[in-house]
Amino acid sequence: QKEVEQDPGPLSVPEGAIVSLNCTYSNSAFQYFMWYRQYSRKGPELLMYTYSSGNKEDGRFTAQVDKSSKYISLFIRDSQPSDSATYLCAHAGGTSYGKLTFGQGTILTVHP
Amino acid sequence: DAGVTQSPTHLIKTRGQQVTLRCSPKSGHDTVSWYQQALGQGPQFIFQYYEEEERQRGNFPDRFSGHQFPNYSSELNVNALLLGDSALYLCASSSTTSAPYEQYFGPGTRLTVT
Repeated sequence: QKEVEQDPGPLSVPEGAIVSLNCTYSNSAFQYFMWYRQYSRKGPELLMYTYSSGNKEDGRFTAQVDKSSKYISLFIRDSQPSDSATYLCAHAGGTSYGKLTFGQGTILTVHP
Repeated sequence: DAGVTQSPTHLIKTRGQQVTLRCSPKSGHDTVSWYQQALGQGPQFIFQYYEEEERQRGNFPDRFSGHQFPNYSSELNVNALLLGDSALYLCASSSTTSAPYEQYFGPGTRLTVT
């Protein structure tokens, strides 16, 4: 079993839709959860960063962590074509110190 | 404020050769991590450097080695290249005085081994 499981998609939605991206993880020791966005042929860009359980909102993006079910979500409201990218979830913490463990990434396309 | 920079952008090497990739961290950051990203996969942690020492290492063979310099910049060296080493190599920087898990990535070096 992979440490972080993420559906690779691809996911295609119309402009303006609400997008839900999800990951599951296996080790409950992890406390820090991140979402990165990666455009084609670019490095990952940090979108959201949360600690432990709960929600965090930043503009059109909301990150949600449910530690009881080991579930991480990213919601994108009013999606735009510029949101088309690969979205990577990651976690860290416990004894892993500075090591980030990533999911496979979900390819998202928002069409006009 | 310059972000994380990496050089070169692209590199083509032959099996058995050696390669050195370079990274300059974001201003104010003192920690550098290296990741390997194969096509269609998420990045995989290679190792992390802080205070010029390797602090943590992922599941990569000893052919992968690194170095951090006093100015916090870093190098990744790969010896005896294999076809399977073809990937995007990403450098990420962070600060131990703020959030160590808040890592910022460079654009990567795309290595092709033929």
